[in-house]
Amino acid sequence: EVQLVESGGGLVKPGGSLRLSCAASGFTFTNYNMNWVRQAPGKGLEWVSSISSSSTYIFNADSVKGRFTISRDNAKNSLYLHMNSLRAEDTAVYYCARDREENDDILTGYSPEAFDIWGQGTMVTVSS
Amino acid sequence: QSALTQPASVSGSPGQSITISCTGTSSDVGYYNLVSWYQQHPGKAPKLLIYEVSKRPSGVSNRFSGSKSGNTASLTISGLQAEDEADYFCCSYAGSDSLYVFGPGTKVTVL
Repeated sequence: EVQLVESGGGLVKPGGSLRLSCAASGFTFTNYNMNWVRQAPGKGLEWVSSISSSSTYIFNADSVKGRFTISRDNAKNSLYLHMNSLRAEDTAVYYCARDREENDDILTGYSPEAFDIWGQGTMVTVSS
Repeated sequence: QSALTQPASVSGSPGQSITISCTGTSSDVGYYNLVSWYQQHPGKAPKLLIYEVSKRPSGVSNRFSGSKSGNTASLTISGLQAEDEADYFCCSYAGSDSLYVFGPGTKVTVL
């Protein structure tokens, strides 16, 4: 079964740090671009970060630039989001999501795609 | 504030058709044929319904269809069913600076 499972969320004070993880299974993780999308309580979806299959391309939303770092370990089938200088407005459920199609970023560059597989999400609360 | 605009709510009776609009700009929806739509039930993860404006992933009901005209994309749900009651989000590729932008979501109510 194709599956993404996030972990690492919790309560953190403003200015603190947290690392989220996303464990992938049931597909060839190394062939897919991966993404983080968040949803503040009662609000809509917000794209956060994307990383290409070989980590060649990394993109971040303006709201997290300089504070969040996306990374992946293809040997461990895992995606990460390192979050520093956390603010109250970062409070949200964080989802990892897979691109719909495989992308060989070395051969073809970055190919944007829809997100076809989502994890169940992990809650991050930033509060003193 | 979302980069894309959607109506806050749309409602319809069982069996009817409803359409949800998603308005962007000539830099996102109007420029790229990379609009996708997601359905989200309360407490659940989003589910991909439509990609590349009008294509349906395997397993998604053909009651869901997508289209685009200019800077506005649309999702139509035909033969509305009780299980369609959910939030619906549009998303567009917006280039290498912003990458992806989402709409604020539309709550669909089945009367």
